[in-house]
Amino acid sequence: SQWGEENLQALSIQEGEDVTMNCSYKTYTTVVQWYRQKSGKGPALIILIRSNEREKRSGRLRATLDTSSQSSSLSITGTLATDTAVYFCATAGNMGYKLTFGTGTSLLVDP
Amino acid sequence: GGIITQTPKFLIGQEGQKLTLKCQQNFNHDTMYWYRQDSGKGLRLIYYSITENDLQKGDLSEGYDASREKKSSFSLTVTSAQKNEMAVFLCASSTEDERLFFGHGTKLSVL
Repeated sequence: SQWGEENLQALSIQEGEDVTMNCSYKTYTTVVQWYRQKSGKGPALIILIRSNEREKRSGRLRATLDTSSQSSSLSITGTLATDTAVYFCATAGNMGYKLTFGTGTSLLVDP
Repeated sequence: GGIITQTPKFLIGQEGQKLTLKCQQNFNHDTMYWYRQDSGKGLRLIYYSITENDLQKGDLSEGYDASREKKSSFSLTVTSAQKNEMAVFLCASSTEDERLFFGHGTKLSVL
């Protein structure tokens, strides 16, 4: 799981495997966003799930949100070597504007 | 589509030096952000701006100044570079529903 002041977590898997990353957050949020950051690039939004949704799918990505436990997960099915990146979750409170980012999960997919 | 352009890509400074990082966006977004990313850590918000000439401090604003003279540009100044400081500074702009678009970053090294 990512959050708080923990160091970056790392996962290493083989191409074709499925993977799930977890994110816990501390304060109320109206939305959880998941970003992917490839080496040398800025983060890019890959999926967004709102507080009134329990699950969201986009291609090989699936995000879940459990507001009661203040946690979200991102699953990738049939991983590819090109999924190698750092994945961040980000949350926003009622006031908006100030997205708070988790510490990130580094995913390495071996071809 | 649009793009976030950060200049310079690499910045090498001396201890105590004032250093300025620039960011341009052509999304016509109202809100812009500066984040700092340290190796193996998450993103921490330095400053954000919700409109031209507006500035809001983030969690890491001490030691930095910002300027938003035009809607399309947002600059960040490191007021006094710290010896051995090394980080990536990421600029972003956001849609009204708080989806962020990031630049590729400016990598700072202080000798």
